[in-house]
Amino acid sequence: QSVLTQPPSTSGSPGQRVTISCSGGDSDVRINVVTWYKQRPGTAPQLLIYSTNKRPSGVPDRFSGSKSGASASLSISALQSEDEADYFCAAWDANLMAPLFGGGTRLTVL
Amino acid sequence: QVQIQQWGAGVLKPSETLSLTCAVHGGSFSDFYWTWVRQPPGKGLEWIGEMHHSGHTKYNPSLKSRVTMSKDTSENQLSLELRSVTAADTAVYYCARVVEEMDDAFDIWGPGTTVLVSS
Repeated sequence: QSVLTQPPSTSGSPGQRVTISCSGGDSDVRINVVTWYKQRPGTAPQLLIYSTNKRPSGVPDRFSGSKSGASASLSISALQSEDEADYFCAAWDANLMAPLFGGGTRLTVL
Repeated sequence: QVQIQQWGAGVLKPSETLSLTCAVHGGSFSDFYWTWVRQPPGKGLEWIGEMHHSGHTKYNPSLKSRVTMSKDTSENQLSLELRSVTAADTAVYYCARVVEEMDDAFDIWGPGTTVLVSS
């Protein structure tokens, strides 16, 4: 099963800004919107960003998404302890005709 | 407030059939697509398939030969069947709502059902 490429881990101190990358290809990230999910240990994922850069109701504006070419990014500013979680990107793959997920990035708040 | 309840057999032997159900409470069932996603222990997420309003289904090509999704609109329930399971099918299985207006993002997730395949 192909996956989108994310760094396995990243970290930051409270108040800092971190960025998580999501690298795909010509049949997924480059031509389709990207979605981001946050997952705390032992719980279900929750929607964080949809349509590449839109936030659902209730998600703070500290979270933002962007895309350039076949790479997408999730930025989290003013880092807080409750941001410590796994973050997954996703995009529809036009070849597989299925959504692909990234392998996930574990964010540690120091 | 939409809530999703999930249930199904948690332990299976190789070659058996996985059967899970999710029930949607407190919101519209018929107006949305519904999807199943799984997560092997310590790993990332894998899309299994989705069910449309019409009953039309789409499955992950890698699982298509073994998967059947169905729904009971009168009970607001969605079911997943995965045949001939192996240890590789050990995972937490999630049911989630798909929102077309959000470019098919999965906005509400069930709590997950842990399935272990072991002889």
